[in-house]
Amino acid sequence: DTGVSQDPRHKITKRGQNVTFRCDPISEHNRLYWYRQTLGQGPEFLTYFQNEAQLEKSRLLSDRFSAERPKGSFSTLEIQRTEQGDSAMYLCASSPQTGLPGNTIYFGEGSWLTVV
Amino acid sequence: AQKITQTQPGMFVQEKEAVTLDCTYDTSDQSYGLFWYKQPSSGEMIFLIYQGSYDEQNATEGRYSLNFQKARKSANLVISASQLGDSAMYFCAMRRPSGGYNKLIFGAGTRLAVHP
Repeated sequence: DTGVSQDPRHKITKRGQNVTFRCDPISEHNRLYWYRQTLGQGPEFLTYFQNEAQLEKSRLLSDRFSAERPKGSFSTLEIQRTEQGDSAMYLCASSPQTGLPGNTIYFGEGSWLTVV
Repeated sequence: AQKITQTQPGMFVQEKEAVTLDCTYDTSDQSYGLFWYKQPSSGEMIFLIYQGSYDEQNATEGRYSLNFQKARKSANLVISASQLGDSAMYFCAMRRPSGGYNKLIFGAGTRLAVHP
């Protein structure tokens, strides 16, 4: 399978615990994105990387959230001191770099987070 | 504000019939891209079709076509010959030049149910 893969697919955690999600993009894609999707809504942009550089962060990304892409390949999204409002699906996506509007962004299957 | 509006929370269609899912968008940009994604219950966002703002022809991809009416700022998805496997959430999304076309703005989605 050469698509975007995410791990774990499901995570249940207690409020206050830290969680980390991993994303492996399509291998030749140098752009990587994180989105969050809550029930009944479309995905919302969180952040994106070009290679290892994090170039944009949404105001949705509070200081409890940190994303890294250390070698420009896989990425991790960590949520510290989780809150019930963090319960959502976290989608990772990747695309090649062309700077064109038709550059398709390919998504993974998402990581479901439930904070209890 | 740049936004995507999908006014149909849910749609029903009989198998083998065609269905149109509505999408309107709001932007002041001249260059932008419009996308439709399908999200089955597994969670993955599956790319279906793309329309560029400068494209004069309506996009088609197999059973999917996009009815692009630029002056009305609408980009409706038409699915012909519906199949049971088409039952899913469908999201319209827009990509703008701000930030190098690095963000997709999604609508709230339409849930399509295909009946036998």
